[in-house]
Amino acid sequence: YELTQPPSVSVSPGQTASITCSGDKLGDKYVSWYQHKSGQAPVLVIYQDTKRPSGIPERFSGSNSGNTATLTISGTQALNEADYYCQTWDRGTVVFGGGTKLTVL
Amino acid sequence: QVQLQESGPGLVKPSETLSLTCTVSGGSVSTGSYYWSWIRQPPGKDLDWIGYVYYTGVTNYSPPLRSRITISRDTSNSQFSLKLTSVTAADTAVYYCARAIYDGSGCFYFDLWGQGTLVTVSS
Repeated sequence: YELTQPPSVSVSPGQTASITCSGDKLGDKYVSWYQHKSGQAPVLVIYQDTKRPSGIPERFSGSNSGNTATLTISGTQALNEADYYCQTWDRGTVVFGGGTKLTVL
Repeated sequence: QVQLQESGPGLVKPSETLSLTCTVSGGSVSTGSYYWSWIRQPPGKDLDWIGYVYYTGVTNYSPPLRSRITISRDTSNSQFSLKLTSVTAADTAVYYCARAIYDGSGCFYFDLWGQGTLVTVSS
C-alpha cells in the first residue's frame, strides 16, 4: 500500500496551508500526521483523521475522504515550517507517506 | 512525563549486526497496552517502519526486513531493543524508537518519539 504526498508546499505567514496524502480508498482507513523538524523528534499533530493530541494548537486540523486525506494549518506561522508525514495502518503494517516540506515564505 | 532515548553504536561494519536500545523514562514497557516500535529514515528518504514489540512481548515486523530483525523488551530496565543482522550501506539511517497506540478500530499511530540516532554502515 502506498501513500503519496506532494514534495513541497509553500504558504505565506497567516495564510492556510493544505497538505494532501493520497492512497487507494484511503478514506476507509485512519490517517495520522506528524510534524518533523530537523534534528528533533517527530511530533504527532493529528490522529484518527481529525483528532488533535493534547497540546497541539487548534490551527491544525485534518480530514479524510475518498482517496485523499488532508492536513490543514490555518494562520500558518514561521514555526510551523517543517516536514509533515502522513501515516496509516494497512493489513498489519505501518505505511508512511513520502513527506511534504512546508515552507512559510 | 514519559520520554524515549535511543542509544547504541553510531558506526557498524558491513555484514555485522546493528544493535540499538531505547530507554523509556517515566514509564514501563510491560504495561499500558503500548506498541514499542522502531522506525528509520535513510538520508534523504522516507520514514520506514521496522517493527514493534507489544507490551505482552508479541512482535510484528516489516515484511521486507523480517528475516533480519529481532525486537525485544527488557522489563526490568524499562528498555526495548533492536537487532538488525547482516547490515549493508542501505541500512544507514537515523533510527527512531517510538511508542504506538492501536485503538482497536484500525487506527495505529505513534504518540511519542525519541530524538533519533544516526547509524552509519561502513568499513
